Amino acid sequence: DTAVSQTPKYLVTQMGNDKSIKCEQNLGHDTMYWYKQDSKKFLKIMFSYNNKELIINETVPNRFSPKSPDKAHLNLHINSLELGDSAVYFCASSDRTGGTDTQYFGPGTRLTVL
Amino acid sequence: AQSVTQLGSHVSVSEGALVLLRCNYSSSVPPYLFWYVQYPNQGLQLLLKYTSAATLVKGINGFEAEFKKSETSFHLTKPSAHMSDAAEYFCAVSDDGGYQKVTFGTGTKLQVIP
Repeated sequence: DTAVSQTPKYLVTQMGNDKSIKCEQNLGHDTMYWYKQDSKKFLKIMFSYNNKELIINETVPNRFSPKSPDKAHLNLHINSLELGDSAVYFCASSDRTGGTDTQYFGPGTRLTVL
Repeated sequence: AQSVTQLGSHVSVSEGALVLLRCNYSSSVPPYLFWYVQYPNQGLQLLLKYTSAATLVKGINGFEAEFKKSETSFHLTKPSAHMSDAAEYFCAVSDDGGYQKVTFGTGTKLQVIP
């Protein structure tokens, strides 16, 4: 069983388009994250939700909007895509009440903006 | 503020040789420290974590890391490298402020030479 899954795995789109990436975790965790990994492999947190509540919102353009319909899902919608948005986006989850901070990562979504 | 520094973006070792990947951290509170591994085209996977119990932490695949507070270090080692160890390794730090914001290092790419 896949613990943290993301769809799609690959996303190729034109500048200016709007796209969404979906994430689901079946670990029963209460906290979910979105990370962006650039071409140099640098991994940076974008957002974190705990029980559907936004708790971390780093300096990210407001073209990026996360949505958490329930604590098992965290989707990322991106408006007006730009070339610089090309990256691998990782979803992760953790158990905040467990207090160990271990994050479990999805396989990533490789976004290419042309 | 928390941060990690990984010395060496690329490390090459011969198969069977000692693996040493360096990580130094900065944290204003006792930290949680992690090593994650990323195989090509995959998400990150936890290798091991330090949560203020034993200072020598054993992880999966024969890896271990030692927490040294005086040196603010958490270096990753493995006595004998295997070809399958070739991957990107990320050191990460989290304070226990409750929000589980994890800060990742810039990664070290390990190459294993036959």
